[in-house]
Amino acid sequence: QKEVEQDPGPLSVPEGAIVSLNCTYSNSAFQYFMWYRQYSRKGPELLMYTYSSGNKEDGRFTAQVDKSSKYISLFIRDSQPSDSATYLCAQDYTDKLIFGTGTRLQVFP
Amino acid sequence: DTGVSQNPRHKITKRGQNVTFRCDPISEHNRLYWYRQTLGQGPEFLTYFQNEAQLEKSRLLSDRFSAERPKGSFSTLEIQRTEQGDSAMYLCASSRTTEAFFGQGTRLTVV
Repeated sequence: QKEVEQDPGPLSVPEGAIVSLNCTYSNSAFQYFMWYRQYSRKGPELLMYTYSSGNKEDGRFTAQVDKSSKYISLFIRDSQPSDSATYLCAQDYTDKLIFGTGTRLQVFP
Repeated sequence: DTGVSQNPRHKITKRGQNVTFRCDPISEHNRLYWYRQTLGQGPEFLTYFQNEAQLEKSRLLSDRFSAERPKGSFSTLEIQRTEQGDSAMYLCASSRTTEAFFGQGTRLTVV
């Protein structure tokens, strides 16, 4: 079992839709989680990070951690074509980040 | 620009040649990381520096790979005797606390 698992997609949604991106993790010892956005042939860009359980909101983005099910989620409201990218979840193992494979999102007009 | 800077952006090399990449972290970030990313995969951890000390190395970092961070500033990643399997995007990140910021990466193609 990989430490962080993520459905690779692709996920295709119409503009304005609510997008839900999800990951599961196996190691409960580390409680910082990150979401990165990566455009094609670019480096990952940090979107949000969360600690332990609960929600964190930033504009159209909401990150959620459910410790009981070892599930992390990123919700994007009012999705835009410019949100089309690969979204990477990561768990902070203190000295390194362990990433999922990334989910490719396509928002069409 | 005060972000993480990586050079070169692209490198094409023949199998068996040595290559060196450079990373300039965000000023005052004491932590620096190298990752490798292949198509369709998330970044994989290679190595981590705190200031000039290399504190952790992945098993992915074979003896053909070496990384340095002299004086705790910029870092270099060298690959000796490159192989086709080394073709990937090499990413550098830096942080001061929890949030790690990535550079644009160096795309290596070994032909």
